[in-house]
Amino acid sequence: NAGVTQTPKFRVLKTGQSMTLLCAQDMNHEYMYWYRQDPGMGLRLIHYSVGEGTTAKGEVPDGYNVSRLKKQNFLLGLESAAPSQTSVYFCASQPGLALDTQYFGPGTRLTVL
Amino acid sequence: LAKTTQPISMDSYEGQEVNITCSHNNIATNDYITWYQQFPSQGPRFIIQGYKTKVTNEVASLFIPADRKSSTLSLPRVSLSDTAVYYCLVGGGATNKLIFGTGTLLAVQP
Repeated sequence: NAGVTQTPKFRVLKTGQSMTLLCAQDMNHEYMYWYRQDPGMGLRLIHYSVGEGTTAKGEVPDGYNVSRLKKQNFLLGLESAAPSQTSVYFCASQPGLALDTQYFGPGTRLTVL
Repeated sequence: LAKTTQPISMDSYEGQEVNITCSHNNIATNDYITWYQQFPSQGPRFIIQGYKTKVTNEVASLFIPADRKSSTLSLPRVSLSDTAVYYCLVGGGATNKLIFGTGTLLAVQP
């Protein structure tokens, strides 16, 4: 049982490039989330999903897109990366019941030059 | 949306009890209060969750007054390994109302 895994762990992009961050969970959780963490800002919710095939916007969704084609995977896409998207990105999953614990992945450190 | 306010940092010594308070004046009726712990280069980890009064588990206690406008995380007898950032989270499940506080950096010294 690997829990929540994120790919890649590190990535450097140039402004305007695109990339996809992959989050995978093997706990059969319904809910999945993408957060970004910046120094002094805590964690901010980008997008989330309450089930396969569904996604919704969080607190800071601009510049990102997501997809949940399979229950176990939640993809975060950057179509045209900007330096302001330099951050650490965390994925989390939750069993499905309200108030259940969120389980976080190890994070992806993204630098946009 | 319920926003939270926590002290930026706290210092303690090994063996002491540490209390971290979170203010959430606009908490909604169906919101719960959850605390997470985060070590450097790791994702946050669940510590404890509560709705009102007091909740205790094997690692911490959570005190919530009747008006629920604040909460206090209590860590008994901290050790060096408790040095981390502690986040207060107010929300009611899988909605975009989940708000992480700024976090409190707890530094435990020998």
